Amino acid sequence: NAGVTQTPKFQVLKTGQSMTLQCAQDMNHEYMSWYRQDPGMGLRLIHYSVGAGITDQGEVPNGYNVSRSTTEDFPLRLLSAAPSQTSVYFCASSYDQTGGIYEQYFGPGTRLTVT
Amino acid sequence: TQLLEQSPQFLSIQEGENLTVYCNSSSVFSSLQWYRQEPGEGPVLLVTVVTGGEVKKLKRLTFQFGDARKDSSLHITAAQPGDTGLYLCAETGNQFYFGTGTSLTVIP
Repeated sequence: NAGVTQTPKFQVLKTGQSMTLQCAQDMNHEYMSWYRQDPGMGLRLIHYSVGAGITDQGEVPNGYNVSRSTTEDFPLRLLSAAPSQTSVYFCASSYDQTGGIYEQYFGPGTRLTVT
Repeated sequence: TQLLEQSPQFLSIQEGENLTVYCNSSSVFSSLQWYRQEPGEGPVLLVTVVTGGEVKKLKRLTFQFGDARKDSSLHITAAQPGDTGLYLCAETGNQFYFGTGTSLTVIP
């Protein structure tokens, strides 16, 4: 099992450019999510999905879109990059460990810089 | 939005010392998880605590959930350089809310 994979590992964008961060998991987990991590801010939830075809907003969704056409893939789209979106992005997949408690597995992250 | 405060923010200790880090909330946790994150990698789940007063041990790490389920602590005995990393607490539920983390450095 590869677990959770993310591409690219590093990316530099100019303000206004768009791009897609890729995330894939091979553990057949229903629940997937995207976080951003900024210094002193911990991890903040951007969007999440409880299954194929179902997505919902997290704490900081503005400027990002997601879709979930398959169980395995959960791409994150930046529509028009802004310097405030400079961050490290983590994708995670989860399963219901016991009675609604989810165990999350994180990918290695994508470090994005917007100039 | 759940507010999770972690303290201390930074901690630097010598190998062999003991330490405790804390996670506090403004409201009751449904359940709480602790993660460790090493530089350049994603967080890795260490433990989940569910019941007030619960204590779980993972080798040299002891996790405690407060009786009122509004706080938790992580105690490391005889810290080793391999314990270096960012320790994050998170409330679990339909959405996860993470604390800001405690950055631990263990000096050989």
